[in-house]
Amino acid sequence: QKEVEQNSGPLSVPEGAIASLNCTYSDRGSQSFFWYRQYSGKSPELIMSIYSNGDKEDGRFTAQLNKASQYVSLLIRDSQPSDSATYLCAVNMFTGNQFYFGTGTSLTVIP
Amino acid sequence: EPEVTQTPSHQVTQMGQEVILRCVPISNHLYFYWYRQILGQKVEFLVSFYNNEISEKSEIFDDQFSVERPDGSNFTLKIRSTKLEDSAMYFCASGTEAQHNEQFFGPGTRLTVL
Repeated sequence: QKEVEQNSGPLSVPEGAIASLNCTYSDRGSQSFFWYRQYSGKSPELIMSIYSNGDKEDGRFTAQLNKASQYVSLLIRDSQPSDSATYLCAVNMFTGNQFYFGTGTSLTVIP
Repeated sequence: EPEVTQTPSHQVTQMGQEVILRCVPISNHLYFYWYRQILGQKVEFLVSFYNNEISEKSEIFDDQFSVERPDGSNFTLKIRSTKLEDSAMYFCASGTEAQHNEQFFGPGTRLTVL
């Protein structure tokens, strides 16, 4: 069974705080991991990709990958109200060209 | 900045009718994808396409669905005989490489089957 699991939330954080979003996946052979942001009624927008264990930072965003635990996370530092959206975790499972999305975590940043 | 475009933005059809959803991927991308998202649910993979053929497809992508790249720019999804449960947002995406593939999504086509 190919699964990508996320807490649906909602997750609420005050403006300026760190938001932490988590994702687990079922296929140990997965190689590529992505975080997308989706505003209501809009298409997914790529935030970050990560392929190797450890941390990857891009501006206010940090992705963390732990393949042994089958876990990937996204940290958003200095959260802004404009970060309020649903965050989708996506995984390229197996070695093929097939991608699975989690159900998403709804984030609200309170001014 | 280049972007994926999709037409129409909204398509209304009667059950049993055929629909074709159109996409123009980013010009230097080689991998193309269709996803659907039923209202309130997760994004679901339908099919990936490379070198003029399907490379992967999900269980959702049954014989009612087909994809085509009729020319050098368009990428289409055809649903032969629509059902009520095909009502969803359909997203096209494109990317430059297979495994470590950052995909960029179009704005979507909302399909409503009556």
